[in-house]
Amino acid sequence: KAGVTQTPRYLIKTRGQQVTLSCSPISGHRSVSWYQQTPGQGLQFLFEYFSETQRNKGNFPGRFSGRQFSNSRSEMNVSTLELGDSALYLCASRFDTGELFFGEGSRLTVL
Amino acid sequence: GQNIDQPTEMTATEGAIVQINCTYQTSGFNGLFWYQQHAGEAPTFLSYNVLDGLEEKGRFSSFLSRSKGYSYLLLKELQMKDSASYLCAVKGAGGFKTIFGAGTRLFVKA
Repeated sequence: KAGVTQTPRYLIKTRGQQVTLSCSPISGHRSVSWYQQTPGQGLQFLFEYFSETQRNKGNFPGRFSGRQFSNSRSEMNVSTLELGDSALYLCASRFDTGELFFGEGSRLTVL
Repeated sequence: GQNIDQPTEMTATEGAIVQINCTYQTSGFNGLFWYQQHAGEAPTFLSYNVLDGLEEKGRFSSFLSRSKGYSYLLLKELQMKDSASYLCAVKGAGGFKTIFGAGTRLFVKA
């Protein structure tokens, strides 16, 4: 069974640009969550999608958005990038409300 | 709101036992997870507690006291490969949102 796949793995952007990250969950998992991980803050919850609906959202500004498609794949978008958005963005899928299975992450550097 | 506290760093010796504590204050509780994360890698699931008591899985055990808002992860017979960050996470009300602590970096020395 394939794991959670995130693309791209690494990317560099400049301030003011926007970025889209993609996540393919484990087959059969309808829940996808997104987290931002930075050295000082740990994993910060961004949002969770289930069956194309956002059912939870963290405390991030509106520049951070996401969506989920009918095949459960999810994307997150960050607009008007700031230096502080540099982080590892982790996607995790799960079956219903069980344990999370994480992807390898997308490491974003904003210059 | 939710608050999860765990020590920032711990150091232990190979072969020894180490206990990593986690305290939490949450508006809802539907279970507590422990994850392991090696540097540069994704977090991986270690254990899940929803009822009070001890869950044992090989060298790793996890304990939960819901009345005290307290959990610990116990690692026995430490190996060098156990050097990693250990993340405590609480599943909130409705079971939808899982919130993580900042993690405990464990260094295992020879």
